[in-house]
Amino acid sequence: QVLESGGGLAQPGGSLRLSCAASGFTFREYAMNWVRQAPGKGLEWVSSVTGGGTPYYADSVKGRFIVSRDNSNNMVYLQMNRLRAEDTALYYCARDQTVVTGDWLDPWGQGTLVNVSS
Amino acid sequence: QSVLTQPPSLSGALGQRVTISCTGSSSNVGAGYDVHWYQQIPGRSPRVLIYRNFNRPSGVPGRFSGSKSGSSASLAITGLQAEDEADYYCQSFDTSLGGYVFGTGTKVTVL
Repeated sequence: QVLESGGGLAQPGGSLRLSCAASGFTFREYAMNWVRQAPGKGLEWVSSVTGGGTPYYADSVKGRFIVSRDNSNNMVYLQMNRLRAEDTALYYCARDQTVVTGDWLDPWGQGTLVNVSS
Repeated sequence: QSVLTQPPSLSGALGQRVTISCTGSSSNVGAGYDVHWYQQIPGRSPRVLIYRNFNRPSGVPGRFSGSKSGSSASLAITGLQAEDEADYYCQSFDTSLGGYVFGTGTKVTVL
């Protein structure tokens, strides 16, 4: 399973760091992903990180967000900088099916809510 | 942004069949990337219904089935049940974007 934390209220231009704790599988053997869902909207892929730590980003967050992982502690992080109102969303952590990205996502966490507002 | 197009909503009576389409392009579904389907009940996290175009995970009822042809894919629900009322999303990989893409989502209502 995966469990997100770290969401909350942030001001435009501010920063937040999301965390995702994984358990029940050999963490380093799976890529991990962040997917967000704005209120009342659909799913949007945000970022992926391979088992070896190679990051990938959606254009909407490239240059502002940084994804990383700690294979020793089964954790993945999303450092969110220069936040904008349009980053307001429920952020899900989800596991890939192999060490690299490109497959389906399962399991998903319950999400952590990020609200960017002044 | 969503680059996989789905109908915004569909409805059907109990026991009927509904089919949700997912239309992509030559940089994702048409390039041969697999399509996966998720169900999201309001207030809950998405869960995978179909993976790699037509495979059902254990625990998913047999009334859900998937197919893919060219740049499009479909999810069929045969014998609609009240508990199938939810949002459904397709997902694939896009080589131009270098990451995952989701469909625009379809809200299924059971009449």
